Formats: sequence, C-alpha cells, structure tokens
Amino acid sequence: DVKVTQSSRYLVKRTGEKVFLECVQDMDHENMFWYRQDPGLGLRLIYFSYDVKMKEKGDIPEGYSVSREKKERFSLILESASTNQTSMYLCASSLATGGLNEQFFGPGTRLTVL
Amino acid sequence: GENVEQHPSTLSVQEGDSAVIKCTYSDSASNYFPWYKQELGKRPQLIIDIRSNVGEKKDQRIAVTLNKTAKHFSLHITETQPEDSAVYFCAAYTREMGSRLTFGEGTQLTVNP
Repeated sequence: DVKVTQSSRYLVKRTGEKVFLECVQDMDHENMFWYRQDPGLGLRLIYFSYDVKMKEKGDIPEGYSVSREKKERFSLILESASTNQTSMYLCASSLATGGLNEQFFGPGTRLTVL
Repeated sequence: GENVEQHPSTLSVQEGDSAVIKCTYSDSASNYFPWYKQELGKRPQLIIDIRSNVGEKKDQRIAVTLNKTAKHFSLHITETQPEDSAVYFCAAYTREMGSRLTFGEGTQLTVNP
C-alpha cells in the first residue's frame, strides 16, 4: 500500500512564525502536491513538484514556498504565518503520468495560526 | 485554466435512495475525471474515474457519466447506505496544465438511516 505521511496532525503557531510542513511518501512517486482544504472551497492546489528540485505554482501560491531535495519528501513552508493561513493542509503523491494516475493523500495537518 | 464547478454543495437522502452529484468543467481539452471520497476525519480516496473516450463507467453501486459536448460529468450512487455519508470531490485533468488535477468545491452527502 502507498503510504503518504505528514509530520503533524495538528499544529498551532503564532502570527509571523516560520512554519514547516513535511510530507513523505514511500512509493517512489515522481509527483507530489500540496493542497489547502477549506469548507466550501474544495481542494485548492498550492504547489506541486514532478521531480526533485522542481516545483510549479498551483492556484494559490502566495505566502507559501516549497522544497523538494529528495524524491520522497516534499516540504511546504510558510515564511511568515498569518491568520488567514489557518486551514487543513493535505499532501498527495502520484506516479509520473500525473493527473492520469490516482493521487494518494496524506492524513492532513490542521494548522491554526493565532 | 481549468475551472470545475460542483453541485449541490450538500445533499441529504434516505437510506436506499439514489444520490447524484454533478460537475461541469470549462476546458474542452480535459480528458480524465476522477471522483474522490473523504470520510469525516480521513483523507480523500479515489472511488471511480472516467476518461474522455468513455461515456459511462460503473463499479457496483457507483457510476460516473460523462457528456463531453456539454462538458459535464456526474456521480451516481444507488441504494445508498449510511457509510456513503462523506464529502465527495470531482476533479478534471488537462494535460496542458501539467501533472495536476483541478478539484470541485465538494459535496457533503448525508445518508439518513
């Protein structure tokens, strides 16, 4: 079974803090994704990566950056957390043919910014 | 870019009834349409998908239909059960958008016993 894990299930941070969300997958998937899930807004893509050291902006990249130094790990970084970044963050991975293949999701990190 | 709209946002049915969720997409180049189910407190999981060269696909109690001309696709669940209660997301894939999916806003389905 594909396993996608995220470093924290719940996280509470203060405004202005730098926040790191980590995602690891164990199935040698080329593609990795970070989504933000808010009620009524569905899953919105923040960034994705189709190879090590490669990254592409999604629909809502402002205020976020990413890092992919190793194939299995994709990090989401909030340089200076703000209250409007309070949300559920979901990581996903898929094989190289991308959208034509199933995306496997992690359990999510619920981030609260105070 | 692609835009996917999903309706309704909430749907309540009695156990045993059918449920239908509809999605429309904007990019005629989209060619793959998966559906994900997210139970409360759990991660989204793929339940069924359809490609643009197929009009309908069934898997036991669930089916998906695709109308390429009208640019819409639908999820049909028959003989609903309480365990079908979840949030359902449709999505569309367009090769020109890279390896990404564009998701709809989600539908909260509640099946009442």
